[in-house]
Amino acid sequence: SAVISQKPSRDICQRGTSLTIQCQVDSQVTMMFWYRQQPGQSLTLIATANQGSEATYESGFVIDKFPISRPNLTFSTLTVSNMSPEDSSIYLCSALGGASSTDTQYFGPGTRLTVL
Amino acid sequence: DAKTTQPNSMESNEEEPVHLPCNHSTISGTDYIHWYRQLPSQGPEYVIHGLTSNVNNRMASLAIAEDRKSSTLILHRATLRDAAVYYCILYNNAGNMLTFGGGTRLMVKP
Repeated sequence: SAVISQKPSRDICQRGTSLTIQCQVDSQVTMMFWYRQQPGQSLTLIATANQGSEATYESGFVIDKFPISRPNLTFSTLTVSNMSPEDSSIYLCSALGGASSTDTQYFGPGTRLTVL
Repeated sequence: DAKTTQPNSMESNEEEPVHLPCNHSTISGTDYIHWYRQLPSQGPEYVIHGLTSNVNNRMASLAIAEDRKSSTLILHRATLRDAAVYYCILYNNAGNMLTFGGGTRLMVKP
C-alpha cells in the first residue's frame, strides 16, 4: 500500500494569485495523477504527472493554468495559476503502484482551495 | 472509455445488508470492475475489484453477472461509518488511470 500526504490541506486565496500543492508518497510509485473535485461533484482527472518529462493533460486542462512537476518517484506538485473563484475545488493527488489492471490506486486527503 | 451507471443515492438501515448495483453494458473483455468509496472529507479508497468471478474481502463482496454487464457491491452489515459515495469503475492498464462516474451516495440510518 501507499500513504499519500498533501500540503496544504486547505487554503483561501485571492483571485489572480497562484498556489502550489505538494504531494508526497511514502514509497516509490510508477504513476502519479492529479484530480479535481468541484463541490458536490465527482472526480475529474487533470493530468498524469510524468517523472522527468512534461505532464500529460486531459481535455480542458492546460499546462499554463496547471503546471505540474514530478522530480522523482515519490513527489509531485500541482500549481493552480492566476486563480479565479471557478478554481475553488478540492484537488487530489493519486498514485498507482504498478501497471497491472489489478493494481490499486491510492489517494491523498485532498487540498481544499477557496478563491475569493 | 467504457461507462458505468449507478443510482444517485441509496439508503440503508444500520446492521442490515446493502446491495449497490452498477451497470456496465459496454464492458470489454480486458476491463476489471473496481469499486472505490469516498468517505466525507477524504480521498477515495479502494474497496474491491474483480474480473469474472465473485470476490470477497474483509470490506465487502462483489457479485459479477455472468455476462459481466452488471455487478453488485455487497456490504454485509452496514455501519454508520459506511456512509460514503461508492464508485464503480471499469479499469484496464491501457488507460492507466481511474475515470470516475457519478457514484452512489449511501446513507446509513441508525
